[in-house]
Amino acid sequence: GAVVSQHPSRVICKSGTSVKIECRSLDFQATTMFWYRQFPKQSLMLMATSNEGSKATYEQGVEKDKFLINHASLTLSTLTVTSAHPEDSSFYICSARPNRDANTGELFFGEGSRLTVL
Amino acid sequence: AQTVTQSQPEMSVQEAETVTLSCTYDTSESDYYLFWYKQPPSRQMILVIRQEAYKQQNATENRFSVNFQKAAKSFSLKISDSQLGDAAMYFCAYRSPYTGTASKLTFGTGTRLQVTL
Repeated sequence: GAVVSQHPSRVICKSGTSVKIECRSLDFQATTMFWYRQFPKQSLMLMATSNEGSKATYEQGVEKDKFLINHASLTLSTLTVTSAHPEDSSFYICSARPNRDANTGELFFGEGSRLTVL
Repeated sequence: AQTVTQSQPEMSVQEAETVTLSCTYDTSESDYYLFWYKQPPSRQMILVIRQEAYKQQNATENRFSVNFQKAAKSFSLKISDSQLGDAAMYFCAYRSPYTGTASKLTFGTGTRLQVTL
């Protein structure tokens, strides 16, 4: 199967600092990855689409300068929450679509990262 | 834009019984994918079953099956012989057939399934 690894799984930071979350596809290449945010007892809301070699595509209402996305290679996308504030505390989940299965539908998810901003 | 609606915030089923989770969606596309994902307390998203819209036959995966009604834009999940391990949050999701940004998943609000003894 296809495995997506997300790191760190939990992070606590002080208000005003920046936090980086990594999303790696371990056994496949992914030109496209997705970053979702999930508040407690709510659904997953798409934040942005990460594209290898080009700029990320952000959903309406998501601040691109606050949530920096870098898709440096076909196996790694990073989400950096800059100048984090308590309201940024949430569960962040990445997903990736294998290039080999570009049109077959399935996306694979990381384990998620819980961010707590004090 | 596509929307996905799950009208049941919570459902409960007794062990070994059958339960059906509802999902409706709205789209103007004729071809697409539909999914049911399970999210246990660990928060890891697990694919339960998927359906391609061009296939008339309903997808099945062991104890899980769907009732796909394309004209009605309905995609319900039936869980047979429910087990304690089935307790989780279940999300219905829609995906366009295209690549890139358009291949994103749009999720419903979720249904929390409890399994009782």
